[in-house]
Amino acid sequence: SQTIHQWPATLVQPVGSPLSLECTVEGTSNPNLYWYRQAAGRGLQLLFYSVGIGQISSEVPQNLSASRPQDRQFILSSKKLLLSDSGFYLCAWESPGNTIYFGEGSWLTVV
Amino acid sequence: AQTVTQSQPEMSVQEAETVTLSCTYDTSESDYYLFWYKQPPSRQMILVIRQEAYKQQNATENRFSVNFQKAAKSFSLKISDSQLGDAAMYFCAYGYSGTYKYIFGTGTRLKVLA
Repeated sequence: SQTIHQWPATLVQPVGSPLSLECTVEGTSNPNLYWYRQAAGRGLQLLFYSVGIGQISSEVPQNLSASRPQDRQFILSSKKLLLSDSGFYLCAWESPGNTIYFGEGSWLTVV
Repeated sequence: AQTVTQSQPEMSVQEAETVTLSCTYDTSESDYYLFWYKQPPSRQMILVIRQEAYKQQNATENRFSVNFQKAAKSFSLKISDSQLGDAAMYFCAYGYSGTYKYIFGTGTRLKVLA
């Protein structure tokens, strides 16, 4: 069966520091992958999606970037964090049946 | 543009009772997918139920069922025999094949009273 994991689960970073959140999927090949952000009390905002290695589409101009160095690995990065980058980040993969399944999520607090 | 609206920010239900969460959406497409996700305090998003728009039959998963009204663009979730573990945020979502975009509502917080 397919599984998705992301880490770290929680991190507190100072303003201006770099960020790296990692997500991996097991049990499937060439999945569509997604990064979402959930601000406090809000729904999910799509940040990036990827349909293959090295293929990244950005939905919202921002301080973040994404990369897909391997088929089942998706990384969310920033060179310099802003306070507004704080939030809950969710990685997801899309099944062939057009359904997305989420990882455990990562809490980011920028101080 | 597609939109998903959940007009109930918060709902309460007595344990063992039934509750219905509302969701409406807007789309010009005819073939799409609708979902309900549950987000418990752990924050992980868990798929509850999925409906394909071309299917007239309402989806059911144990105590969870939907009322899908395609013409009205309505997709409500009914939870029967509510349990304390059902307390969570519930998100309605819309997806359209090939667009790589899943649109989420703002969520409904469900409280289950003992």
